[in-house]
Amino acid sequence: GAGVSQSPSNKVTEKGKDVELRCDPISGHTALYWYRQSLGQGLEFLIYFQGNSAPDKSGLPSDRFSAERTGGSVSTLTIQRTQQEDSAVYLCASSLLGGYGNTIYFGEGSWLTVV
Amino acid sequence: GEDVEQSLFLSVREGDSSVINCTYTDSSSTYLYWYKQEPGAGLQLLTYIFSNMDMKQDQRLTVLLNKKDKHLSLRIADTQTGDSAIYFCAETNQGGKLIFGQGTELSVKP
Repeated sequence: GAGVSQSPSNKVTEKGKDVELRCDPISGHTALYWYRQSLGQGLEFLIYFQGNSAPDKSGLPSDRFSAERTGGSVSTLTIQRTQQEDSAVYLCASSLLGGYGNTIYFGEGSWLTVV
Repeated sequence: GEDVEQSLFLSVREGDSSVINCTYTDSSSTYLYWYKQEPGAGLQLLTYIFSNMDMKQDQRLTVLLNKKDKHLSLRIADTQTGDSAIYFCAETNQGGKLIFGQGTELSVKP
């Protein structure tokens, strides 16, 4: 597709269950980012993939969160044993190269609600 | 570590100028950005400035950068009700990681 695609767009899950959120970046983009936006809050950096480099995982809030990027394209963010405080919009973004003034394109987000 | 700070709210009257301020801590920042988020919508890139520039103007938008004080501002001239949104300041360094501020909610009153 033409833009960054995320799925599911909405997910309601029970506390304690695992969830997987998927991101399809724009074809050819080497940089991929995951952010979290809680209700009324700013954008919290989670993880950043750049080409074949080791990802920057410094923003992952706990070891229940992990992400991978297969073949330099699709990325999956996994949240294990979900908690209510994990409820947020999870935004994926990609750019041709990391930062450096390249336009960074955001997906529409995956709205996660943990009940 | 990297940190980006913004005031949370700004209210202006239609037709006035709006100035949204941002401070950052990373002295190795290379690019600084302004994004706009309208209610229920995704993030839209408004403009960006390279760290060796002091100013950038794009139609109604003027970005000012004071690198010594690590201060960035976005001025919107002739603010319209359609400019009501949350504005995010963001910075990136040579590593490419993009760090956002908390966002400033701009309210434009008719």
